[in-house]
Amino acid sequence: SQQGEEDPQALSIQEGENATMNCSYKTSINNLQWYRQNSGRGLVHLILIRSNEREKHSGRLRVTLDTSKKSSSLLITASRAADTASYFCATDVRTSGSRLTFGEGTQLTVNP
Amino acid sequence: SQTIHQWPATLVQPVGSPLSLECTVEGTSNPNLYWYRQAAGRGLQLLFYSVGIGQISSEVPQNLSASRPQDRQFILSSKKLLLSDSGFYLCAWSAERSYEQYFGPGTRLTVT
Repeated sequence: SQQGEEDPQALSIQEGENATMNCSYKTSINNLQWYRQNSGRGLVHLILIRSNEREKHSGRLRVTLDTSKKSSSLLITASRAADTASYFCATDVRTSGSRLTFGEGTQLTVNP
Repeated sequence: SQTIHQWPATLVQPVGSPLSLECTVEGTSNPNLYWYRQAAGRGLQLLFYSVGIGQISSEVPQNLSASRPQDRQFILSSKKLLLSDSGFYLCAWSAERSYEQYFGPGTRLTVT
């Protein structure tokens, strides 16, 4: 079964607005990652947040992690049409190496 | 810089035919390698991962097998395809002690 579950399944916003996607997971983790996938393409790594971190920023991306609630959120500020894609959270329980469990993803559409 | 290649990009095969998908990584040594399958509109399911030549771990029982004949080459195979093998197959790599994964462009397999 999938470890992570994204919410909402689909999100449609206007250019310039902020987009927030949420991820919940079930077991304790070592880190949580967010990936982006354009239609029909491979995934691209966006950001990694470790279990002892609460917030992380990368450009227009802001990720939070609440281990007590087993949840994470991805905020994209000042969205652009080019941000249209599917976004996946992935959890890693290992302390060495990488073994990811992916959620089902949020389909984000940014309308120009 | 590191590059990951997958081929072919698309493939249409009849039921019962064999399958061979290839993935190669350049610019890194001793990577961890992964094969995922993605159903339409869904998340990624880990099929196989490898931490070294000849070392393959299978995540789910299925009609597929994987091999790693060289350090940076990962092959996904089947002797006889089933309709249920249709999907988008993604290869990925991660550095030996790193958590981020880097994905290839994927192969769209349709079994008819």
